[in-house]
Amino acid sequence: GESVGLHLPTLSVQEGDNSIINCAYSNSASDYFIWYKQESGKGPQFIIDIRSNMDKRQGQRVTVLLNKTVKHLSLQIAATQPGDSAVYFCAEDPRTGNQFYFGTGTSLTVIP
Amino acid sequence: NAGVMQNPRHLVRRRGQEARLRCSPMKGHSHVYWYRQLPEEGLKFMVYLQKENIIDESGMPKERFSAEFPKEGPSILRIQQVVRGDSAAYFCASSQGHGYTFGSGTRLTVV
Repeated sequence: GESVGLHLPTLSVQEGDNSIINCAYSNSASDYFIWYKQESGKGPQFIIDIRSNMDKRQGQRVTVLLNKTVKHLSLQIAATQPGDSAVYFCAEDPRTGNQFYFGTGTSLTVIP
Repeated sequence: NAGVMQNPRHLVRRRGQEARLRCSPMKGHSHVYWYRQLPEEGLKFMVYLQKENIIDESGMPKERFSAEFPKEGPSILRIQQVVRGDSAAYFCASSQGHGYTFGSGTRLTVV
């Protein structure tokens, strides 16, 4: 089956530092990826997406990098703030069905 | 635009009872997805519906679970004869193309 895995289950960073969250995916046919942020007690919230014809996309303080050669996705958060503390999921659209596949998630803790 | 609305936010059921979870998609969205999330885990796909049709229920247990999305009204995820293992957060998402918008979830506790 499909799998979307996270390299690190937890990540702690100092406030103001940059954060990098990694994700590996297994289906080379996947052509669309999304990063979600889930705060405690809430539903996942869209952060940024990227299509497979791109290798980088930037948003406000966030950048997603896609390396299709090694099937790796990363989320970079610049100047991490306490409000960034959450669990971050990557999700892939493998184009083989009607669903996105989600990884287990990385829990980001920002230390003031 | 109120977003994806789920209710109730919290639901407690005794073993053997029925749980009914409701989801109203975003205005204009006709695709509804249900996911289950166990503690410390990712989201697992259960079912994908469009109005009056189940498109993909490959992630839904064959017994006790059912889902519908009627022509009028919210989508309903129904769990009959709940067991402790059904305790989880159930999230609904809606879409009108690529990408989902999630609701805040229903946290089901079976006691």
